[in-house]
Amino acid sequence: DAGVIQSPRHEVTEMGQEVTLRCKPISGHDYLFWYRQTMMRGLELLIYFNNNVPIDDSGMPEDRFSAKMPNASFSTLKIQPSEPRDSAVYFCASSLAGKNLETQYFGPGTRLLVL
Amino acid sequence: RKEVEQDPGPFNVPEGATVAFNCTYSNSASQSFFWYRQDCRKEPKLLMSVYSSGNEDGRFTAQLNRASQYISLLIRDSKLSDSATYLCVVNTPGGSFQKLVFGTGTRLLVSP
Repeated sequence: DAGVIQSPRHEVTEMGQEVTLRCKPISGHDYLFWYRQTMMRGLELLIYFNNNVPIDDSGMPEDRFSAKMPNASFSTLKIQPSEPRDSAVYFCASSLAGKNLETQYFGPGTRLLVL
Repeated sequence: RKEVEQDPGPFNVPEGATVAFNCTYSNSASQSFFWYRQDCRKEPKLLMSVYSSGNEDGRFTAQLNRASQYISLLIRDSKLSDSATYLCVVNTPGGSFQKLVFGTGTRLLVSP
């Protein structure tokens, strides 16, 4: 079975440019999470969706960040405009409600470098 | 104070050694605890859940001390393949879904 799919795997951009990260969760999972990981702050939850609806976006750093989930199999995280401090690894994860709700399956991540 | 705190390491141990990692959490209402493993430049993966009574999975033993808000992971007979970063994970109660809070991880290096 395919796991969580993220694209691109690597992104290098210049400050001020728009960056769009994409995620396809595991089929049938109804929760989707966006995380950011840096050496200093570790893994931080940015936003999560349940059945395509954003539930908690309190982790989104500022208005430059936005996330959408137009359907059950696709989500985007957009940064506009990007800044050097946004450089990090962005992970998408999904999980299934029920007994294993708290078991999250992570995608391979997108390594973002903003110059 | 961070919600989940871990010693960043690295812990350098020879093959066959026993090593233990500790983690403390600040929210006394937390109910679920986990250890995730993250290999270099890879995504985190669930290693094991941590239960109040303690639990074992092969060479790995996890313990929980609610009174001290302390979680531990013991690895016996370390293998080279155990080299990774181990993330302590705690749920944050509230609402219909309990968010997971990740520690910054403890790095383990097992050498021949």
